[in-house]
Amino acid sequence: NAGVTQTPKFQVLKTGQSMTLQCAQDMNHEYMSWYRQDPGMGLRLIHYSVGAGITDQGEVPNGYNVSRSTTEDFPLRLLSAAPSQTSVYFCASSSDGGLFFGEGSRLTVL
Amino acid sequence: AQTVTQSQPEMSVQEAETVTLSCTYDTSESNYYLFWYKQPPSRQMILVIRQEAYKQQNATENRFSVNFQKAAKSFSLKISDSQLGDTAMYFCAFMKLYMIKAAGNKLTFGGGTRVLVKP
Repeated sequence: NAGVTQTPKFQVLKTGQSMTLQCAQDMNHEYMSWYRQDPGMGLRLIHYSVGAGITDQGEVPNGYNVSRSTTEDFPLRLLSAAPSQTSVYFCASSSDGGLFFGEGSRLTVL
Repeated sequence: AQTVTQSQPEMSVQEAETVTLSCTYDTSESNYYLFWYKQPPSRQMILVIRQEAYKQQNATENRFSVNFQKAAKSFSLKISDSQLGDTAMYFCAFMKLYMIKAAGNKLTFGGGTRVLVKP
């Protein structure tokens, strides 16, 4: 049972580059979300989706884009990477209460 | 907006002893969940325990138990018989219960408490 799978686990980008963090879940959960974790802080919500074709913004959405074409996949796109986006990113899924997280992706923007 | 506060940045405990982590939250909602997540050095976020606000009984999961004081908006975690594998960051989190699906399941996290279990 894979649960929530994120790729890549590590990535280094230059300022201005774009990239996509992939997230897939095999639990048939309707709800998926992306969080970022910065040093000394808890996780903060970037974007979320309550089902295929439905997405909405969280607390810190600027500079990120998402789509949800299938129940299983929820990619996060960085349109033009900035050093402020250096962080650890977590994808999560849920059916009702209590989120299950992927292993995280460490992104460094130089 | 909800806020979650963990006032203890770091705590240490001897193996086999008990440690209690504090968490307070601020909300005007009456229906919500509270969670404790564990994040070991592997970075994985692991759900430790969940408490529904409408339940008066405190949740327990093996060596982990909570003291939920709804009126005081307090949600502490007790780790009994601490083990070396309990060394991790612990995050308290709040989730409002929405009546409509479109609102989603959104977690608000505290800043975390680092727990070090010493042999």
